[in-house]
Amino acid sequence: DSGVTQTPKHLITATGQRVTLRCSPRSGDLSVYWYQQSLDQGLQFLIQYYNGEERAKGNILERFSAQQFPDLHSELNLSSLELGDSALYFCASSTRGAETQYFGPGTRLLVL
Amino acid sequence: GEDVEQSLFLSVREGDSSVINCTYTDSSSTYLYWYKQEPGAGLQLLTYIFSNMDMKQDQRLTVLLNKKDKHLSLRIADTQTGDSAIYFCAEVSNSGYSTLTFGKGTMLLVSP
Repeated sequence: DSGVTQTPKHLITATGQRVTLRCSPRSGDLSVYWYQQSLDQGLQFLIQYYNGEERAKGNILERFSAQQFPDLHSELNLSSLELGDSALYFCASSTRGAETQYFGPGTRLLVL
Repeated sequence: GEDVEQSLFLSVREGDSSVINCTYTDSSSTYLYWYKQEPGAGLQLLTYIFSNMDMKQDQRLTVLLNKKDKHLSLRIADTQTGDSAIYFCAEVSNSGYSTLTFGKGTMLLVSP
């Protein structure tokens, strides 16, 4: 158990809908990262937050957004969902943002 | 740009050694990581190596780093059926906020 929690574990929704994925980092970690894992693209970095502020952006679509709250948990919002958004979404956390990242169990999203 | 390459598949017999190889392109990488993903599970940190090291040993795991060739390998001694999983190599670059770039993963199949 890495200490990073993610909810929900599974999510099934329809095209056009909006969903919110939640992540709680390890106790004491200030930095949260979001990754998407799909069969064709592999594991791709989406976005990083550090202590409430956006720090780095990767291949994140404009339809996706994230935020980190004062209690350091983070949410990834996915809107206008398409079939191709079906994937595993991982959250990871690290102490300050330049150290080893520990991953949560992931949220498996299926868009029908 | 950054690109991490791994062979897709490796099959070994129980008790043999497994060697999983990885090449990376970002010469400024400070840390290189190996993560393990079992079916339906998240990413588990296995080990990592700092860029000023050539080798790191951790129980059955040995990591070798050749900076000149940008080549990283993970050797698993006395491979067990429980080692069957997908192994990801990842690099952290120093040119940004230390986000991870992953390879596509090597599926290791250990047969009895």
